[in-house]
Amino acid sequence: DSGVTQTPKHLITATGQRVTLRCSPRSGDLSVYWYQQSLDQGLQFLIHYYNGEERAKGNILERFSAQQFPDLHSELNLSSLELGDSALYFCASSVRSHRTSGSGTDTQYFGPGTRLTVL
Amino acid sequence: DAKTTQPPSMDCAEGRAANLPCNHSTISGNEYVYWYRQIHSQGPQYIIHGLKNNETNEMASLIITEDRKSSTLILPHATLRDTAVYYCIVRVGPLSTGTASKLTFGTGTRLQVTL
Repeated sequence: DSGVTQTPKHLITATGQRVTLRCSPRSGDLSVYWYQQSLDQGLQFLIHYYNGEERAKGNILERFSAQQFPDLHSELNLSSLELGDSALYFCASSVRSHRTSGSGTDTQYFGPGTRLTVL
Repeated sequence: DAKTTQPPSMDCAEGRAANLPCNHSTISGNEYVYWYRQIHSQGPQYIIHGLKNNETNEMASLIITEDRKSSTLILPHATLRDTAVYYCIVRVGPLSTGTASKLTFGTGTRLQVTL
């Protein structure tokens, strides 16, 4: 158990709909990363938030957005869903304090994921 | 981040050591080597990481060559539960708090542990 939680575990919806995925980082972690894993693309980085601020964007579609709240949980919003958005969505968290870890790195710990199926 | 090359698949007998190689010939001096694994469709699990020294933890050992162009992850006594896809990732360390970069996953090595 990594300490990162994600809800829901499974989500089935129709094309054109909008869904929200939720991620709670490990206690004290300030960074949240979102990744998408589809069959043909592998694990792809979407976006990174640190302490409520967006820090980096990957290949995230304009139909997708995210935010990190004051309590540090994060939500990934997917709208105008298409069949190709069906995938596993993982979040990861890192950085327990305002200093980097003693090893000088920033290890990411992943949640169990949300499986999104768009019909 | 430097690109890594891993064999697509490997087999290992249960109880034997599993040695998973990774080439990262273009690695820079400030880049770390990370290993994660993914069991079926579960979230990737952190295993170990290192910069230039060999590292060991309760899960595995990481051997990095002196020129840092390749590394080997060693699972000392593989079990059936170690069957997974193993990813070797090279990543720059954070320049300051909260600036750490994404993880770039390749296709990894599918390790099959058999009886």
